[in-house]
Amino acid sequence: KAGVTQTPRYLIKTRGQQVTLSCSPISGHRSVSWYQQTPGQGLQFLFEYFSETQRNKGNFPGRFSGRQFSNSRSEMNVSTLELGDSALYLCASSLVGDPSYEQYFGPGTRLTVT
Amino acid sequence: GQQVMQIPQYQHVQEGEDFTTYCNSSTTLSNIQWYKQRPGGHPVFLIQLVKSGEVKKQKRLTFQFGEAKKNSSLHITATQTTDVGTYFCASGRFSGAGSYQLTFGKGTKLSVIP
Repeated sequence: KAGVTQTPRYLIKTRGQQVTLSCSPISGHRSVSWYQQTPGQGLQFLFEYFSETQRNKGNFPGRFSGRQFSNSRSEMNVSTLELGDSALYLCASSLVGDPSYEQYFGPGTRLTVT
Repeated sequence: GQQVMQIPQYQHVQEGEDFTTYCNSSTTLSNIQWYKQRPGGHPVFLIQLVKSGEVKKQKRLTFQFGEAKKNSSLHITATQTTDVGTYFCASGRFSGAGSYQLTFGKGTKLSVIP
């Protein structure tokens, strides 16, 4: 079974621009979560989607948004980029009903804001 | 949220030595998960602990959940160079909407000197 895929893998943007990142979960996984990873703050939860609905959101400004499509693929968008948004953005999918609640992470998108 | 503190931040060991990382919380945790992230990679699920005092083993790795469910540890016996990476603990909880959210510790970065 194919793993979680994320595109693009690397991205360089300028302050003030916006960016859209894409995540395709493992087939059959309907829950998709997004995390931001930075050296200073570590792994921080952004939001979680299930059946095209955002069920949970972390403590991030409104510039961070996302959506999920009917095929469970998800996108996240960051508008008005700031230097501090430079990070590795990871998406993770999980199988609803899995008693271990294992999160399967994708390889991430490395975003650099200059 | 359920904050988890992880120590040490870094650990350098000689190959063959043992390694332990600790995860502590001021509140009772519902469960604890452990992940490993290799350099340049993404977090990979290792295990979930749910019961008070639970101990689980995976080959050279031993995971423990404290009796009060406020702390956990991961112990690696006789480290190998393949153990290099950052080990994260994460506490999981459900939000009101049924979303399962992980709160990660900052991780312990393990270096193994051959």
